[in-house]
Amino acid sequence: GENVEQHPSTLSVQEGDSAVIKCTYSDSASNYFPWYKQELGKRPQLIIDIRSNVGEKKDQRIAVTLNKTAKHFSLHITETQPEDSAVYFCAGTNNNDMRFGAGTRLTVKP
Amino acid sequence: EAGVAQSPRYKIIEKRQSVAFWCNPISGHATLYWYQQILGQGPKLLIQFQNNGVVDDSQLPKDRFSAERLKGVDSTLKIQPAKLEDSAVYLCASSLRQYNSPLHFGNGTRLTVT
Repeated sequence: GENVEQHPSTLSVQEGDSAVIKCTYSDSASNYFPWYKQELGKRPQLIIDIRSNVGEKKDQRIAVTLNKTAKHFSLHITETQPEDSAVYFCAGTNNNDMRFGAGTRLTVKP
Repeated sequence: EAGVAQSPRYKIIEKRQSVAFWCNPISGHATLYWYQQILGQGPKLLIQFQNNGVVDDSQLPKDRFSAERLKGVDSTLKIQPAKLEDSAVYLCASSLRQYNSPLHFGNGTRLTVT
């Protein structure tokens, strides 16, 4: 089955800086890669997703890039704000079950 | 639209006791998932249903965990008997399609086994 690895496990940035979180996946057949944000004590919520027929997708300050050859995808957050502080999870699916990375705790310092 | 509903929100039990969690997915979502999220880790899939059929239960500890989705809507996850290592948040999620579709999560049930 699919195996998703995520790094770094923790990331601290200054408000206004950019943050980048990277994930690698094992199954070359994987074709859908969502990113979830989980605030403390709350449910994971989808923030952006990308399909394997697209190399990049942007939504305001958030972007995701996908490199199918290298089997990795990344989340980019620009102009970070304190409310971006949360745990971020990447996931991948190969038309089967969805596997999650271990998460990245992002702290944005004011 | 109404989100995924889960209950209870919190549960504390002693080891070897049994516990059950309930989930009501978003209306029209045929696919339902149960995930286990241990503190500091990513969600781990326990079981996936498509309507009332099991798609994947390869990571479900079947000696103690069971789940059902009668009538293809609500689902129940049961643990019997519970162990200390079962302490976690149990998240239910649903999606519109079986494949390549965003998951919508409930608020989860935080289980503490003492």
